[in-house]
Amino acid sequence: DVKVTQSSRYLVKRTGEKVFLECVQDMDHENMFWYRQDPGLGLRLIYFSYDVKMKEKGDIPEGYSVSREKKERFSLILESASTNQTSMYLCASSPPDVSGNTIYFGEGSWLTVV
Amino acid sequence: AQSVTQLDSQVPVFEEAPVELRCNYSSSVSVYLFWYVQYPNQGLQLLLKYLSGSTLVKGINGFEAEFNKSQTSFHLRKPSVHISDTAEYFCAVSRVGTGGFKTIFGAGTRLFVKA
Repeated sequence: DVKVTQSSRYLVKRTGEKVFLECVQDMDHENMFWYRQDPGLGLRLIYFSYDVKMKEKGDIPEGYSVSREKKERFSLILESASTNQTSMYLCASSPPDVSGNTIYFGEGSWLTVV
Repeated sequence: AQSVTQLDSQVPVFEEAPVELRCNYSSSVSVYLFWYVQYPNQGLQLLLKYLSGSTLVKGINGFEAEFNKSQTSFHLRKPSVHISDTAEYFCAVSRVGTGGFKTIFGAGTRLFVKA
């Protein structure tokens, strides 16, 4: 069974803390994504990666960075967490031609910044 | 650029009634179309997708959707819903032939099935 695993389901962090959200996929997919989900806004793409050490900005990259040192692992980093980054974060992966292929999602990480 | 509009933010319906969740998109080029479902406290999973061919697409759990190019719509339907269909449903669009790194998602429609 295909699997995208997000290591932390629920996190509470303080303003200004550095936050790491980790994601691992076991499908040998080239593409990996980080989305943010907010009520009424749907999913918004933060960053994506199409290969190891390669990354591209999505629609809302400000305040975030990513790291992809291994094919199966894609990390989202909040350099200095702020309250407006309280949200649900979804990691996903897909085969190379994501247009016609399914995107596989993890279960999400709920982040609260206080 | 593409965009996706889900016309209803919430849809309440009684069990065993039919339901339609509406989705319109805009794009100047050919696109692929998707519906994803998110059950409470879970990630999204694919319900169905339209790539080419027959405009009526059947998915999991008895759902189907019809691609209407002239109306730029991709509405999701089920003839008889169950309590277990309570979830959030997302319509998504992806440009054909781009490598598709950016799939655009709608804002979501919450389906509430009442007993």
